[in-house]
Amino acid sequence: AQSVTQLDSQVPVFEEAPVELRCNYSSSVSVYLFWYVQYPNQGLQLLLKYLSGSTLVKGINGFEAEFNKSQTSFHLRKPSVHISDTAEYFCAVSEWNNDMRFGAGTRLTVKP
Amino acid sequence: GAGVSQTPSNKVTEKGKYVELRCDPISGHTALYWYRQSLGQGPEFLIYFQGTGAADDSGLPNDRFFAVRPEGSVSTLKIQRTERGDSAVYLCASSPGTGGAFFGQGTRLTVV
Repeated sequence: AQSVTQLDSQVPVFEEAPVELRCNYSSSVSVYLFWYVQYPNQGLQLLLKYLSGSTLVKGINGFEAEFNKSQTSFHLRKPSVHISDTAEYFCAVSEWNNDMRFGAGTRLTVKP
Repeated sequence: GAGVSQTPSNKVTEKGKYVELRCDPISGHTALYWYRQSLGQGPEFLIYFQGTGAADDSGLPNDRFFAVRPEGSVSTLKIQRTERGDSAVYLCASSPGTGGAFFGQGTRLTVV
């Protein structure tokens, strides 16, 4: 079955600095990839997704991610973060049958 | 409704009791997922429905857990002989296909 590894459990960063949250996946077939965000005391919200086509995917709130098949990665980036980006971020992978699995999450803390 | 609805939002039960958690997916969504999320962790896959049938139930931890979706819409997650270790937030999500899933707010289950 497919699996996801989020390489950093916590990422502290200062406001207006760039950030990258790393995600690697494991699968023997073609995959769909997702990033979800969970703000404190809220539900999971879809941030962006890769289904096919361009490997650079843009999402909400200025986030983008790049699918790299050779490195089996789908890292999330933002060029300049805000305090309001403080949240838990989850990478997820789905195979052809839409069975979706999540990583353990990365807690992004943006400091003033 | 406009989104995925989960009821109840909170459930406190005594050890050994039986509980049912309900999920109303977005109308027309064929795929439905159940996950369990413990504090500080990512969503742990439990079961995935495609229509009325369970396409993958490999995440159910043991035979005390069971889920149904008899008419391909509403789903119920059933837990028998609850244990304190079952305490978590149980998340339901639905999807129309490959575009990612939409999550409900979850049911917080506390077993005392």
